[in-house]
Amino acid sequence: DIQMTQSPSTLSASIGDRVTITCRASQSVSDWVAWYQQKPGTAPKLLIYKASTLQRGVSSRFSGSGSGTDFTLTISSLQSDDFGTYHCQQYRRNPTFGQGTKVEVK
Amino acid sequence: QVHLVESGGGVVLPGGSLRLSCAASGFIFKTYGMYWVRQAPGKGLEWVTVIRFDGNNKDYADSVKGRFTVSRDNSNNTLFLQMNSLRVEDTAVYYCARVRSGTSDGADIWGPGTMVIVSS
Repeated sequence: DIQMTQSPSTLSASIGDRVTITCRASQSVSDWVAWYQQKPGTAPKLLIYKASTLQRGVSSRFSGSGSGTDFTLTISSLQSDDFGTYHCQQYRRNPTFGQGTKVEVK
Repeated sequence: QVHLVESGGGVVLPGGSLRLSCAASGFIFKTYGMYWVRQAPGKGLEWVTVIRFDGNNKDYADSVKGRFTVSRDNSNNTLFLQMNSLRVEDTAVYYCARVRSGTSDGADIWGPGTMVIVSS
């Protein structure tokens, strides 16, 4: 299986901060990476697919980049609705997820 | 409105069986691949299985292979997960999710999940 390693595990940030979350694959996954946001007690929400394509209806303050093994999710200016846990997923082979990054209030 | 709603979760003894259902509405179900994804309490997401739009291609995580079976009824817009020989480590919220394109992509629509607890 392809392992996805996210960092950091927890991130403390303030409203307006620029936030960056990284995900590293154990082998190349080309650009077959998605990013999700999850709030407590709810299902994940797709933000980004194919590493950098914004899902319809998702705010443009979210962006994704990377290819091969290293990927980044960036929130340009953190808003109150952005707190939660973020997951990366590769789908080059059978899907695997990162362990998640919790974004909390500083 | 595009919706997925899971049902069938509950408490089961180790070694027992459970069948989950996922009712789809608001989109042409028979044209989409579908995932089951689970999340153990306080843990990350784990992909369980995928089924192609026509039900003719399926794949499973090693952790459930031989114990779980995915199927679909396109005439009734329903996805199923038959879970046999359940283990304590299968305890999780189980989500059904629509594959955005094909059988390997991001999941763009998710149900609210159904809880499965395997405990003696």
